[in-house]
Amino acid sequence: GENVEQHPSTLSVQEGDSAVIKCTYSDSASNYFPWYKQELGKRPQLIIDIRSNVGEKKDQRIAVTLNKTAKHFSLHITETQPEDSAVYFCAASTHYQLIWGAGTKLIIKP
Amino acid sequence: DAGVTQSPTHLIKTRGQHVTLRCSPISGHKSVSWYQQVLGQGPQFIFQYYEKEERGRGNFPDRFSARQFPNYSSELNVNALLLGDSALYLCASSQQGQSYNEQFFGPGTRLTVL
Repeated sequence: GENVEQHPSTLSVQEGDSAVIKCTYSDSASNYFPWYKQELGKRPQLIIDIRSNVGEKKDQRIAVTLNKTAKHFSLHITETQPEDSAVYFCAASTHYQLIWGAGTKLIIKP
Repeated sequence: DAGVTQSPTHLIKTRGQHVTLRCSPISGHKSVSWYQQVLGQGPQFIFQYYEKEERGRGNFPDRFSARQFPNYSSELNVNALLLGDSALYLCASSQQGQSYNEQFFGPGTRLTVL
């Protein structure tokens, strides 16, 4: 079955700097790759997603890239702000299952 | 328009008991998925239902079962509760059942097994 690995587990960046979170997946049939943000005690919120026929997608300060050959996808957050502090999850979807990474705790230092 | 709703919000049970968790999807959404999120970990896929039929099942024991009703709401049942079943149970709905459809999450049910 599908397996998703996510790195790093914790990422601390200075406010205003960029943050990059990386994920790899194992099932070449995966065709949808969402990223979720989860604040403490709250539900996951979709922040951006990408489908397998696209290599890159951007939405304001957030971008996602996908390398299907290498089975890698990454989340890029530019000009980080205090409200970006949260746990971020990547996921890969195949065969009616959404398989999640273990999460990255993003800390924005003032 | 209301989002995904789940009930109850919190639940405390003892080992060996049975629990039923409920989920109402966004109006017009026909697919419901269930996830278990243990503290400090990513959600683990349990089930997906579409048009009242099971479309996918994760690696969970037979103690876990679910169903979807004609109005697309869903129930997750867990029998013979174990301490390790303590987790946040999340329900998500999507318009269709395809794997590439965006999923919208409910607030979750926090289950504590003592």
